Amino acid sequence: QKEVEQNSGPLSVPEGAIASLNCTYSDRGSQSFFWYRQYSGKSPELIMSIYSNGDKEDGRFTAQLNKASQYVSLLIRDSQPSDSATYLCAVNQAGTALIFGKGTTLSVSS
Amino acid sequence: NAGVTQTPKFQVLKTGQSMTLQCAQDMNHNSMYWYRQDPGMGLRLIYYSASEGTTDKGEVPNGYNVSRLNKREFSLRLESAAPSQTSVYFCASSDWLSSGYLSSYNEQFFGPGTRLTVL
Repeated sequence: QKEVEQNSGPLSVPEGAIASLNCTYSDRGSQSFFWYRQYSGKSPELIMSIYSNGDKEDGRFTAQLNKASQYVSLLIRDSQPSDSATYLCAVNQAGTALIFGKGTTLSVSS
Repeated sequence: NAGVTQTPKFQVLKTGQSMTLQCAQDMNHNSMYWYRQDPGMGLRLIYYSASEGTTDKGEVPNGYNVSRLNKREFSLRLESAAPSQTSVYFCASSDWLSSGYLSSYNEQFFGPGTRLTVL
């Protein structure tokens, strides 16, 4: 059974801090990795994708991938109250559908 | 460019009734997906269509049928609704991209969802 694990949270950080969200996956054949943000009552929105080991930065977001450890993370710098949402990690092998984690709820307090 | 659209937004059914959820995308994507999202269960794949003319079962296909009407449209049908099918349903689409040694990216984009209640 292919699995994607996330800590459900809630993860609480003060405004301006760095939020660190983590995800582990079971299938070593996984090739592409995604982070989605989902506000309450809304649909998931793709915010980051990463395909090779290392870091990928986009504005305040940095995705980190370590395939040897089967670990992917999302760092949010200078966290804002508008970042408060559930963050979903998703993983797939070539030619298959995505497998989603259950999500981590982030709360940023002002 | 509307992206992925879904109808209806909300629906209440009685046990045993049938209905079809509609999904359309205008991004010229080959692949389309239906998920359900329940509290504590995350997103679970019901059915997907890798390309026009093909459909495959996902993790939780029982009680559902799908039709890939054309490249743009992918519908989900509940033939005899049950309370266990109360959920939020999301449609998504993606295209297969390639870069170097990777054979696919599968960046999926979601519609706004349908909130279904079965009494």
